[in-house]
Amino acid sequence: DSGVTQTPKHLITATGQRVTLRCSPRSGDLSVYWYQQSLDQGLQFLIQYYNGEERAKGNILERFSAQQFPDLHSELNLSSLELGDSALYFCASSAGRLAGGLSYEQYFGPGTRLTVT
Amino acid sequence: QQPVQSPQAVILREGEDAVINCSSSKALYSVHWYRQKHGEAPVFLMILLKGGEQKGHEKISASFNEKKQQSSLYLTASQLSYSGTYFCGTAGNKLTFGGGTRVLVKP
Repeated sequence: DSGVTQTPKHLITATGQRVTLRCSPRSGDLSVYWYQQSLDQGLQFLIQYYNGEERAKGNILERFSAQQFPDLHSELNLSSLELGDSALYFCASSAGRLAGGLSYEQYFGPGTRLTVT
Repeated sequence: QQPVQSPQAVILREGEDAVINCSSSKALYSVHWYRQKHGEAPVFLMILLKGGEQKGHEKISASFNEKKQQSSLYLTASQLSYSGTYFCGTAGNKLTFGGGTRVLVKP
C-alpha cells in the first residue's frame, strides 16, 4: 500500500459525458501528479501540482483539467469524453517540489480505470 | 522527448541475469526506475542522480552514464517476483517515462 488513494476504482460512462477522478496523496506529500496509461502503453504525464499550484504540464488535452485543494487532495476532470479517453488514470505523490529538479521518488495510487462506451 | 528503452521484452529463467537500457536524447538530471505488475500501480525501484548518488532498493542495481545520457538496470539472479514491466523515467521539469520493458521470469 503506497498510501495514495484514488476513487473511484472503476468508472464506466458514455461518450460526451464528464467525470471527476479523485486522489488523496500520502500524508505529508505536497506534490501530486496525474498520469494516463492506455492499454499496454506507457505512462503519459498529464499534470503536476505542488501545494495547490500547477507546477508542470504534459500532454494534457484541453478537455481535461485538474486542481489541488487546500487539504492537498486533487481532482482530475475529464469532459466531452471520447472512446480514446478509455485508460487507466494514475495519481502519484511525492515529497518534492519538482519531479526532476528535486529527485524524490513518486508513490502511485491504485489507479482509476475509465471505460468510455 | 520520451526515453528509449531496450529490449522491449525479455524472458528469463529463474537465476538468470538481464540488463535493461534506457537512453535519452536530452541531458539528464536524474533517472528513475519503476516496476509495474499487471493490473497494479507502478512501484518505485531506484533513482540515479548526476554525480553518482543513488537512492533505492539494495537488491536492485543500476548505472547512470551522464555523458552518454544512458542508464542501465541490472536484474541479477532473477526471481519469479521480478516479472513485470520496467519503466525508466527521465527527469527535467517533469518525469517522462519510456515505453517499458516487459520481463517474464519463468521457473
